[in-house]
Amino acid sequence: EAQLVESGGGLVKPGGSLRLSCAGSGFTFPNSWMNWVRQAPGKGLEWVAQIKPQADGGSTDYVAAVKGRFTLSRDDSKNTVFLQMNSLRIEDTAMYYCTTGPRISILWGQGTLVAVSS
Amino acid sequence: DIVLTQSPEFLSVSLGERATIECKSSQTVLYNSNNKNFLAWYQHRPGHPPKFLIRWASARDYGVPDRFSGNGSGTDFTLTISNLQAEDVAVYYCQQYYASPPTFGQGTKLEIK
Repeated sequence: EAQLVESGGGLVKPGGSLRLSCAGSGFTFPNSWMNWVRQAPGKGLEWVAQIKPQADGGSTDYVAAVKGRFTLSRDDSKNTVFLQMNSLRIEDTAMYYCTTGPRISILWGQGTLVAVSS
Repeated sequence: DIVLTQSPEFLSVSLGERATIECKSSQTVLYNSNNKNFLAWYQHRPGHPPKFLIRWASARDYGVPDRFSGNGSGTDFTLTISNLQAEDVAVYYCQQYYASPPTFGQGTKLEIK
């Protein structure tokens, strides 16, 4: 069965950093487009970032609100993607979901909670 | 960015009845070269991660009951849930993937009347 498992969330002060991980299993991870989608408390869904398969160039794309602060990378030998989040802001507080799909999110993980607070 | 506006924001429907959710895009999401609408629908039930329902505006994902149907083209789309069941209580989102960044509607909260 295909699944995604996120980890790395937690409480961090404004300006701090966190690295989220997402491990995939049960599907061909190297061929998969990987995304992060977040949901702030009481708000709707927001697409955050995407990384293409290495076979498609491995390029990344980000929503404007996180460009220059977040970096998405992948290690296909570990079937894992990493979201490095720097210069965190209070408005980055959200549940972060790892998903698969080319801009759509077909498979979702359970999410990892990021709280940015002083 | 493409803005998706869903209506209504809240919907209350009796068991066994039909629920209809609208999603209007600020610009077309129809790609002329393949005649496909780059519009998806998701269900987000309380205590669960969101679930992918429909792609290309009307193509249900594997295992999605045929009670769920999507329609529309260009800028106007609908998600219809027929024969409403208790497990359909959720927030429903449309999403466009025509242009980057992919954007979601604000959500429609569906409850049982």
